[in-house]
Amino acid sequence: NAGVTQTPKFQVLKTGQSMTLQCAQDMNHNSMYWYRQDPGMGLRLIYYSASEGTTDKGEVPNGYNVSRLNKREFSLRLESAAPSQTSVYFCASNRINSYGYTFGSGTRLTVV
Amino acid sequence: KQEVTQIPAALSVPEGENLVLNCSFTDSAIYNLQWFRQDPGKGLTSLLLIQSSQREQTSGRLNASLDKSSGRSTLYIAASQPGDSATYLCAVDNQGGKLIFGQGTELSVKP
Repeated sequence: NAGVTQTPKFQVLKTGQSMTLQCAQDMNHNSMYWYRQDPGMGLRLIYYSASEGTTDKGEVPNGYNVSRLNKREFSLRLESAAPSQTSVYFCASNRINSYGYTFGSGTRLTVV
Repeated sequence: KQEVTQIPAALSVPEGENLVLNCSFTDSAIYNLQWFRQDPGKGLTSLLLIQSSQREQTSGRLNASLDKSSGRSTLYIAASQPGDSATYLCAVDNQGGKLIFGQGTELSVKP
């Protein structure tokens, strides 16, 4: 099925560990995004990539890095995980100006 | 800074009722506004997108309106069904695809 695929679906990390969240889309979308969802806070943009080869910070970028590996793939890396990064992470992609916005099913991350 | 607010935070209605979910935003300079549905433990599904030049969009039993001047949008659900139970999120795009979300309204439709 066409869409946005995120891996892993669940992850538990210890404080200070690193990990990379993977995201891939097969809809030939130009733009890709990483959001986090926290109770009472809604979804907040971490990083985005308007096109292959470009990345920019969103509202809450501290503690994260991203790589737009190619047009299909956009990864999110936590270099030294902290309990404040416990959240549900969503990857999304779209054609242009919000049209065709498609979300992955999310990664539930717990940092202990 | 754009802020998006959704009221109420939770709503419970009996099956068959018509209902309205509200969304307000502080900066009227938006490209578009979008309503999403989120089922528990799942990702978001786009329901309706209203361009800044439009007043409303309809899809089946759903109708979304937009009043930029007052900074408001409503999502109208007609003849609600238990399958409509989910969290509904409003999001505005005022900078090329980067969405700013409200906190959502959790809807429960009782049989």
